[in-house]
This record gives sequence, C-alpha cells and structure tokens, in this order.
Amino acid sequence: EPEVTQTPSHQVTQMGQEVILRCVPISNHLYFYWYRQILGQKVEFLVSFYNNEISEKSEIFDDQFSVERPDGSNFTLKIRSTKLEDSAMYFCASSYRQGSQPQHFGDGTRLSIL
Amino acid sequence: DAKTTQPPSMDCAEGRAANLPCNHSTISGNEYVYWYRQIHSQGPQYIIHGLKNNETNEMASLIITEDRKSSTLILPHATLRDTAVYYCMRISNFGNEKLTFGTGTRLTIIP
Repeated sequence: EPEVTQTPSHQVTQMGQEVILRCVPISNHLYFYWYRQILGQKVEFLVSFYNNEISEKSEIFDDQFSVERPDGSNFTLKIRSTKLEDSAMYFCASSYRQGSQPQHFGDGTRLSIL
Repeated sequence: DAKTTQPPSMDCAEGRAANLPCNHSTISGNEYVYWYRQIHSQGPQYIIHGLKNNETNEMASLIITEDRKSSTLILPHATLRDTAVYYCMRISNFGNEKLTFGTGTRLTIIP
C-alpha cells in the first residue's frame, strides 16, 4: 500500500538555524498538509497546499515557515530561524481529494531545537 | 474538537469488540464522519469514514444513526496493537478541510 514518507526521522538543530523537513506524498495525491504535535499536546494544523500554492495556513504558520513542492514529488517545510518552541513532531499528510477522501499521514519528523 | 464529543477513555479486553461512541448532533448534510487514530509516537492513521450508510473495511465498522447525530466505531476483535487515541471528526465535502484533532478517546486494550 502506498505510504507517505518523511525524512529525517529525527532532526537536531541549534536555535536560530534553518531546518528543512522533507516529505514524499503518495504519488497520485493532489493535496498536501503539514501538522505538528508538541509533546503531550494535540496534533495541530499548520498549512495546506494545492496546485502549487498555499490553500490555508494557521496562526502558527508565520513568516518563519514556508512550504515548497520543488520537483513534483517532494513536499518540504522550511523553518528559517528555529526557536526552542519549534521543538515538536512534524507530520506530513496528503490526500487525493478533499472531504470525501482521507488524508494519509507519514510517521513524522521529530525536531529538537537546542 | 467542539463539533464532536467523545468519552476521554475506554478499556476493552483483548479479543473482544471495542465500541467507541461519538456524538455529532449538529452535523451538516454535507459533512462526513471520519475516524482516525494515533498510536503512541506514530503519525495519525485513517481508519474509516461515512456519510449516511454504515461502512466496513478491513480495520473497522462504522455505524451511523439514522438521524446522523451520533456514530460508533467498532473494532471487532481488539488486539493490543489497537491501543491508541481515537479521533472522531466531521469533514465537509466542500472547501479546504484541514483536520482538527480534539482530545479523542484513549482506548486501552487489556490483555
């Protein structure tokens, strides 16, 4: 069964550094998402992406965050200048269509900011 | 998620059916009922969804009441690997629908 894959599984970065989290969505999916989960808290929506542009973003997704689909297969989340509070699990998800089709999630990247 | 109501926790004996209820009394006609789960330290996993009719797949069954105000997710023969937090959500067929995770039901399967 096709899967969403995320790399790396664990990323350790110094505060203030840039980090790029990578995702390979399921190949025929058209909608892409990033979510995050701070330890012990709920999964929170960050951003959705369709047709090479952001569809919706949350308040968390400020100017320090950006997303890109650089080559038709990868979907990346960049944090320009990381803060301690960015430490969390970051999950990528994709779906073929909205609403009537489910989102499928990767196993996440654990981001640790030192 | 304030749009659905679930018990915070449930236990179920291994091998028995686990029945997880969800109340969504204000659901709209164009909203599906979706169930996801999150096993510890893993990404959320899609389980099943439905609009009006009952649904069954290899993982579970979904029973939706005729008035669509509530539903029950059934795991027919629960195993220890089914221990997870289960989330019931309302998802519209229109617009850009992000998933909003509430507190869900923490299901513990007892050996």
